[in-house]
Amino acid sequence: GAVVSQHPSWVICKSGTSVKIECRSLDFQATTMFWYRQFPKQSLMLMATSNEGSKATYEQGVEKDKFLINHASLTLSTLTVTSAHPEDSSFYICSARVGGGGDTQYFGPGTRLTVL
Amino acid sequence: DQQVKQNSPSLSVQEGRISILNCDYTNSMFDYFLWYKKYPAEGPTFLISISSIKDKNEDGRFTVFLNKSAKHLSLHIVPSQPGDSAVYFCAASAHNQGGKLIFGQGTELSVKP
Repeated sequence: GAVVSQHPSWVICKSGTSVKIECRSLDFQATTMFWYRQFPKQSLMLMATSNEGSKATYEQGVEKDKFLINHASLTLSTLTVTSAHPEDSSFYICSARVGGGGDTQYFGPGTRLTVL
Repeated sequence: DQQVKQNSPSLSVQEGRISILNCDYTNSMFDYFLWYKKYPAEGPTFLISISSIKDKNEDGRFTVFLNKSAKHLSLHIVPSQPGDSAVYFCAASAHNQGGKLIFGQGTELSVKP
């Protein structure tokens, strides 16, 4: 299957700082990438849909000014958690879709964010 | 409103037997369904998918069944192996809703030797 990488795999930061997470599709071009968040023992919750060259579409309840998404190329999307607080601590996972609306999404390995 | 539901949080099966994981959905617009396997602190790994025009898709030990009238799908793993122990998520998408995936809560499968 298609390979998606994320960097960093884990990060610890102080409250009030910003953290950037990168998501890359390594062997295919992804016009659409998705960002999810998972709390312990819960399901994956879609945060936003990222389309290359356009603004991200955020799900209800997700603050777009808090979670900045940039999809500057067909292989890279970034999520920046701005002014992070302890409640932002979570497991963030990106995925990339190979083709059109019904195609499979391939997931990155995830990034564990801990805000002190 | 939970559009995709996995009502069994856990399932324990003996090695060599069949594992059946169930998933129900409420949105009749869903037209593509997927199963993912996930280990702790890792991203989900794609297992198998099915389009709404089919009622069965098979790939090796994994078979997914779709019952559109009941809005129900299931994943069968046979024979089950200890390495299959993980959390399994079903997910659904609708082409006219941008193809974004809606996940169930997950079922933790434990295959005992």
